[in-house]
Amino acid sequence: TQLLEQSPQFLSIQEGENLTVYCNSSSVFSSLQWYRQEPGEGPVLLVTVVTGGEVKKLKRLTFQFGDARKDSSLHITAAQPGDTGLYLCAGAGGRRALTFGSGTRLQVQP
Amino acid sequence: EAGVAQSPRYKIIEKRQSVAFWCNPISGHATLYWYQQILGQGPKLLIQFQNNGVVDDSQLPKDRFSAERLKGVDSTLKIQPAKLEDSAVYLCASSLPLGPQETQYFGPGTRLLVL
Repeated sequence: TQLLEQSPQFLSIQEGENLTVYCNSSSVFSSLQWYRQEPGEGPVLLVTVVTGGEVKKLKRLTFQFGDARKDSSLHITAAQPGDTGLYLCAGAGGRRALTFGSGTRLQVQP
Repeated sequence: EAGVAQSPRYKIIEKRQSVAFWCNPISGHATLYWYQQILGQGPKLLIQFQNNGVVDDSQLPKDRFSAERLKGVDSTLKIQPAKLEDSAVYLCASSLPLGPQETQYFGPGTRLLVL
């Protein structure tokens, strides 16, 4: 069974601060995706990383895939209230299309 | 481009009652997924369809849950009879089958409360 553990589970920070969210597994994934979900909505894809060691940037968000393709991180620089939401990592590989982590709930206070 | 549509958005039922959810995927998307998201957790895959065939239903509680996608487009998910622990958001997603880099597009979900 492929499991993805995210940490921290909850993060409350002030506007302008930096933060990092981690996604770890003992399984190897062919790719890893990060989603953001807002209350009352479905998750929306932010990025897909495929190659071990890959780094992708999306404005103030930086995503990294571990060299062994078992873990990933999301770093947000100068967080803004609009970044508030539930961040989910999801791994693809094996029999199942996607396995989701438990999520990190981020709250950015103005 | 219209997104994934789901209805109803909210449903409150009593335990042992039946309930059905409907999903209309993005036009042309062959793959359709149903997920269950319990409060405080990430989505858990219940069933995956490729056109009207089932690809993965290993996590579907088949004694009470059923799903169909008869014409390879719309899909319904049914719970009969519902239990308290079925209270969750049921998400439908669709995608073009592109392997590890495919993008799943999610609907807004149906929030179910079982009393």
